[in-house]
Amino acid sequence: GEDVEQSLFLSVREGDSSVINCTYTDSSSTYLYWYKQEPGAGLQLLTYIFSNMDMKQDQRLTVLLNKKDKHLSLRIADTQTGDSAIYFCAESDQTGANNLFFGTGTRLTVIP
Amino acid sequence: GAGVSQTPSNKVTEKGKYVELRCDPISGHTALYWYRQSLGQGPEFLIYFQGTGAADDSGLPNDRFFAVRPEGSVSTLKIQRTERGDSAVYLCASSSDRPPWDEQYFGPGTRLTVT
Repeated sequence: GEDVEQSLFLSVREGDSSVINCTYTDSSSTYLYWYKQEPGAGLQLLTYIFSNMDMKQDQRLTVLLNKKDKHLSLRIADTQTGDSAIYFCAESDQTGANNLFFGTGTRLTVIP
Repeated sequence: GAGVSQTPSNKVTEKGKYVELRCDPISGHTALYWYRQSLGQGPEFLIYFQGTGAADDSGLPNDRFFAVRPEGSVSTLKIQRTERGDSAVYLCASSSDRPPWDEQYFGPGTRLTVT
């Protein structure tokens, strides 16, 4: 089955860039996603990338995809305290159902 | 408009009891998903509905778990003979299933605690 791995914790200072990394195993995934989970709130889709792309930029967010190494990263520029949350990488099961397979999540702590 | 809602937000039950968890998807969304998130883990897929039918139930852990969506909107996840290992946050998501991709909108979850 699909296996998505992430490091568990990341701490950065406010204003610095954050880079959250993810590796996945299913080379047939068509879309890869980044979700944000804040305490007491539902999962929020931040951004996604199609598997034929190498990079996608969306305001402060940059997603890099290395399909050969099955490595995905999320860079958050000018990290703010409001960015403190758990970030999940997910890949979709493109059998038609689009079920998502999530990593264990990276807890980002932004230090003022 | 209203997002995905789930009730109850918290449920505490005794081992061996039966529980029902409800999900109200975004109006008009044809696809509905259930996930389970254990402490310190990412969400784990349970079951997917397209309309009224369960298109993929391969994530249900055993036959104590069952889900229905009789009219293609509200869904109920049913757990029989609950066990302490069932304690988790149960998340529901819905999507419009529009190609080429569909964003899954998640509800806040139901936290189930089995004592």
